[in-house]
Amino acid sequence: DTAVSQTPKYLVTQMGNDKSIKCEQNLGHDTMYWYKQDSKKFLKIMFSYNNKELIINETVPNRFSPKSPDKAHLNLHINSLELGDSAVYFCASSERETQYFGPGTRLLVL
Amino acid sequence: SQQGEEDPQALSIQEGENATMNCSYKTSINNLQWYRQNSGRGLVHLILIRSNEREKHSGRLRVTLDTSKKSSSLLITASRAADTASYFCATEKAGNTPLVFGKGTRLSVIA
Repeated sequence: DTAVSQTPKYLVTQMGNDKSIKCEQNLGHDTMYWYKQDSKKFLKIMFSYNNKELIINETVPNRFSPKSPDKAHLNLHINSLELGDSAVYFCASSERETQYFGPGTRLLVL
Repeated sequence: SQQGEEDPQALSIQEGENATMNCSYKTSINNLQWYRQNSGRGLVHLILIRSNEREKHSGRLRVTLDTSKKSSSLLITASRAADTASYFCATEKAGNTPLVFGKGTRLSVIA
């Protein structure tokens, strides 16, 4: 009965590969987000979806493509992975101002 | 650009002491929020203070907001070892704008 869940928890892959991270929330929220947290713990918004529609797209390379099949899911697909993509990726959801975060996916690109 | 900046970067205290963390920001805001992140986990919302509020309490947490100085503080009273975590402030400028997080304060509470 986890509110915001992400899979996988850990992802180790080679440079150049394509990978996906899945996120699901069972809170009934309309808005979902993807954040990237770097090695210095700096947390930066990547995307925001409201009811399956993209509303925020910060300066993120085209290699990152979010997909929202329904308002409870927001998946992140990354093409041609680079070393600099190594980070922890967090999914979150919100109804009003408060955000609820998933446990994170630790991506390591070798 | 980064909005919130926490201070100090790291804080180590004894159990039972109070911990104070500060956050400064640059532009006008609608609200300011504090989140906690335990090692290896996602962020958990602690408290939200709106721009027209000056102080807010929740259990052992006390948050102040000074919009003239563009700063906020988070006070944790009677700290416990379980309070050991990183604490982030996040600011929201207006509806549908993204939260902007600071780099966090790493708090260690020693039993």
